[in-house]
Amino acid sequence: GEDVEQSLFLSVREGDSSVINCTYTDSSSTYLYWYKQEPGAGLQLLTYIFSNMDMKQDQRLTVLLNKKDKHLSLRIADTQTGDSAIYFCAESKESGNKLVFGAGTILRVKS
Amino acid sequence: DGGITQSPKYLFRKEGQNVTLSCEQNLNHDAMYWYRQDPGQGLRLIYYSQIVNDFQKGDIAEGYSVSREKKESFPLTVTSAQKNPTAFYLCASSAQTSGRVHEQFFGPGTRLTVL
Repeated sequence: GEDVEQSLFLSVREGDSSVINCTYTDSSSTYLYWYKQEPGAGLQLLTYIFSNMDMKQDQRLTVLLNKKDKHLSLRIADTQTGDSAIYFCAESKESGNKLVFGAGTILRVKS
Repeated sequence: DGGITQSPKYLFRKEGQNVTLSCEQNLNHDAMYWYRQDPGQGLRLIYYSQIVNDFQKGDIAEGYSVSREKKESFPLTVTSAQKNPTAFYLCASSAQTSGRVHEQFFGPGTRLTVL
């Protein structure tokens, strides 16, 4: 079945690194995604990783994928107050056009 | 500017009334989606459409209806049969990219409150 789980809340100090974790159950997932939602707005794609990769870096963002454990993480370096938002992990499969989302992790950055 | 628009941003309705939420995109995307977002539950798929004049139920379709008469438009009707309609509704669209990166572009959302 399809299930994506995330921790609900993370609080960090400005300038520290944030690590948001996600686990998924469907081993046939092809791509895994991180979306960001600011208050009262829609979701915005931050980054994605193909399932045959184990790491992807994009400026302050680093995505790590452990396919054996079905574990995905998003690391935000030098976290800023503007990074405060809800972060959603999602998965998709090669054959489909649907995304399965986790419940979202609320990131709070304290100055 | 290309994008997805949803209107209105806030909507209030009395219990027992049907209400239609608008979603328009000018990205020339074939696929469109409706999600419902409740606190602590993430996004749940209501309906999706991969092509004009065709749509499929998502995980929580009961009490909702949709139409896809035009590529650009995918309105969602929340009927009186929906037991708990108060929520934040998000519309999204994507290019048909089976086997490739599947990025969905989201609208700003409509917050529906049923009084």
